[in-house]
Order: sequence, then structure tokens, then C-alpha cells
Amino acid sequence: DAKTTQPPSMDCAEGRAANLPCNHSTISGNEYVYWYRQIHSQGPQYIIHGLKNNETNEMASLIITEDRKSSTLILPHATLRDTAVYYCILTRRAAGNKLTFGGGTRVLVKP
Amino acid sequence: DAGVTQSPTHLIKTRGQHVTLRCSPISGHKSVSWYQQVLGQGPQFIFQYYEKEERGRGNFPDRFSARQFPNYSSELNVNALLLGDSALYLCASSSRLSTNEKLFFGSGTQLSVL
Repeated sequence: DAKTTQPPSMDCAEGRAANLPCNHSTISGNEYVYWYRQIHSQGPQYIIHGLKNNETNEMASLIITEDRKSSTLILPHATLRDTAVYYCILTRRAAGNKLTFGGGTRVLVKP
Repeated sequence: DAGVTQSPTHLIKTRGQHVTLRCSPISGHKSVSWYQQVLGQGPQFIFQYYEKEERGRGNFPDRFSARQFPNYSSELNVNALLLGDSALYLCASSSRLSTNEKLFFGSGTQLSVL
């Protein structure tokens, strides 16, 4: 499976945009980029996913580079409740929606 | 609508014992997956079931088994428990197995093996 690389941790200020990078330089043409987050002691929560185009929903925006080798998750106005571990995951057609989690990025939103 | 529900929420067992964890998917979802999350690591895939058939198995020993019932609920069984089986066990459901289909996770069962 193609792997993703994320920074282990990052801080951001409450009310500011949080930009979370993810590198997936070996991504295949049929692999989706998914983002999930896990707040302490809870199950992972789906945030957003995309294939080629940028995507936006009520939680976040996903920016995928034209060559698809990297992406950025944007939380437009971070709140303290956004403190969590954020996982960038690739899913490929043969594996259905099975998720292979890496280490993720531990995001701390500070007042 | 109820989300994915798991029971029990916490469980303490001793080495060598057997444990059964239960999961009820979101109404209408036909797929259930199980993940193990050891402290400090990301979740690891154990099993996936769809329409009561096993559709995927992760790199776990045969002590781990699962099944899905006609109502789409699922059980994860672990025999001959080891200390290393202590973890958060997560269940996830989806309506299909497509790569374009997101997973909904429960809050998990925290298993402690003493």
C-alpha cells in the first residue's frame, strides 16, 4: 500500500486556520486521500476525502496538489475541540474501504 | 439515529482467558470492520465482514476470530489472551465496501489483560 508521511505534531492558535500537510508521493491513480481524526478516548471520526479535486465540507477543506503527491487538510477556524490526532490515509480499490493508519499528526489547539 | 454501538465499554481479563466483544452497526449498514489500537499507536485492521461473509483479514493470529449475524451485528472473539492483547478494540460500519465509502467508528471496548 502507498504510504503517507505526516509531521508527528503541531500547535495552532484557537480561531486561526490549521493547515495539516500530508505527503503521499507514491500514490496510485485509483487511491483516495482520506482524513480521519481521533479525539482522546474516542473512535476515529471521518473528516473528508478526495481523489483529484479539492473538496470542502462543513468540517474542513482538502487541497490535493495537481500531481497528487501531497495534500493539505485545512481547518478554517480551529477551536479547542479540534485538539486530536489527525490521520491521512490512502485507500485503494482492491482493499475496499479498509484503512491503514499511520502515526498521524497530534494537533494541539491553544487558546 | 444511533451510531455504532459497542459493548462492553471496558473489560478486564486475565491471561489465558477468552473474550467476546460485540458491535451493532448503524442501521442499514451491511459491513462491519474491527480494529485494534494499542496505546500510542494508530488503529490496526483485524477483520472486515460484509453481508455475513469475511471480506478481509489483517495480520493477526488465529486466536482472533469474528462473525457477522443476519442482523449485521458482529462479534470479535479472542482466545488464550496475552498481555499484549491489551488495547482499545474499535468497530466500524459502512453501507458498502467501496473505496469511496467512509467508515463510522464506535467508541471502542477497552480491554485490559492482567
